[in-house]
Amino acid sequence: SQTIHQWPATLVQPVGSPLSLECTVEGTSNPNLYWYRQAAGRGLQLLFYSVGIGQISSEVPQNLSASRPQDRQFILSSKKLLLSDSGFYLCAWSVRLSNRGRTDTQYFGPGTRLTVL
Amino acid sequence: ILNVEQSPQSLHVQEGDSTNFTCSFPSSNFYALHWYRWETAKSPEALFVMTLNGDEKKKGRISATLNTKEGYSYLYIKGSQPEDSATYLCASPMEYGNKLVFGAGTILRVKS
Repeated sequence: SQTIHQWPATLVQPVGSPLSLECTVEGTSNPNLYWYRQAAGRGLQLLFYSVGIGQISSEVPQNLSASRPQDRQFILSSKKLLLSDSGFYLCAWSVRLSNRGRTDTQYFGPGTRLTVL
Repeated sequence: ILNVEQSPQSLHVQEGDSTNFTCSFPSSNFYALHWYRWETAKSPEALFVMTLNGDEKKKGRISATLNTKEGYSYLYIKGSQPEDSATYLCASPMEYGNKLVFGAGTILRVKS
């Protein structure tokens, strides 16, 4: 069966410090991978999307970046955190089963609660 | 830009009550509508994926309907139980791929 891991579970970082959040998927190959953020009082916002190693699509301009060094590894990074980066970060994966993937279910990890002080 | 809206923002019901809430989306260029349930301290979990106008899906006491012509979907919970307490999210894929745009969610709290 497939599983998705995220770490750390919680993180408190000062403004201006770097960030690295990691997501790994087990039990599947060549998944589509996603990073979402939920800011306080808001819905899930798609940040990055990847269809393969080294292929990253950025959805929202920001000071975050993502990388996919291996097929089942997705990393979210920042060189200098802002207060506005606080939120709950979710990683998700899907496998393309349908035409253009629009009905593919996404499976979410446990998330990381990031607080920037 | 695709805009997916959900109402109400939150809902408090008594155990045994039936409830429903709404997801609205643009009716033009519709592809699919996803419903997820997000319980506290857990990951969002897929409930339904709906594509056809008039579609109705059911999973236990939870059901959903879809009206693509007017751009809405209803989620119904029959005989709410405390374990139904969660945030219910709907999402629709962007026109150019399988990237989902999520609504802000409806927070349901069921009191015993």
